[in-house]
Amino acid sequence: DAKTTQPTSMDCAEGRAANLPCNHSTISGNEYVYWYRQIHSQGPQYIIHGLKNNETNEMASLIITEDRKSSTLILPHATLRDTAVYYCIQGSDYKLSFGAGTTVTVRA
Amino acid sequence: KAGVTQTPRYLIKTRGQQVTLSCSPISGHRSVSWYQQTPGQGLQFLFEYFSETQRNKGNFPGRFSGRQFSNSRSEMNVSTLELGDSALYLCASSLGLAESYEQYFGPGTRLTVT
Repeated sequence: DAKTTQPTSMDCAEGRAANLPCNHSTISGNEYVYWYRQIHSQGPQYIIHGLKNNETNEMASLIITEDRKSSTLILPHATLRDTAVYYCIQGSDYKLSFGAGTTVTVRA
Repeated sequence: KAGVTQTPRYLIKTRGQQVTLSCSPISGHRSVSWYQQTPGQGLQFLFEYFSETQRNKGNFPGRFSGRQFSNSRSEMNVSTLELGDSALYLCASSLGLAESYEQYFGPGTRLTVT
């Protein structure tokens, strides 16, 4: 069962930053926070992961609170192609437990 | 670098039959995981193979099985198909090392059981 909670849906304006929250209050010391997204009819796509430090890559930034009980995925300049279901997952092995995710709709 | 490939992309089977799905991981990746995605249950983990050994297993009946070959390619088999097995079956590959759990998914095989 999924151990994280995320909003069901959110809208974002094209060109603006999209901030996706995630609660993972049961996360243990060796568990990472992973973010994936799934565009309709495609396989999930890995975005970013982190343990306790903030992380940034070419796709997004991940901000993890100091107590590690929540995090925010930031898409700096959302485009229409970022419309997808975004999954936040906590885990420490290859057995990913996906929840329902957040359906993000980017509007022109 | 080529991504994860899955064959076939679409499949239609009848109840009671069996099916074998194939997954070729990204070159150099030694771990292959399988997932089932349905509208009702979402994405559910089936099993993970690393160096030809099943390392993790989800909560699926024994009708679902898999294997991994020495070249890291993996197959998944479902025997005695049921209508509820209709789903998108996804495989994902990764390096398989500790502290490197990010997985790269293929496009999936859409299985329809009639």
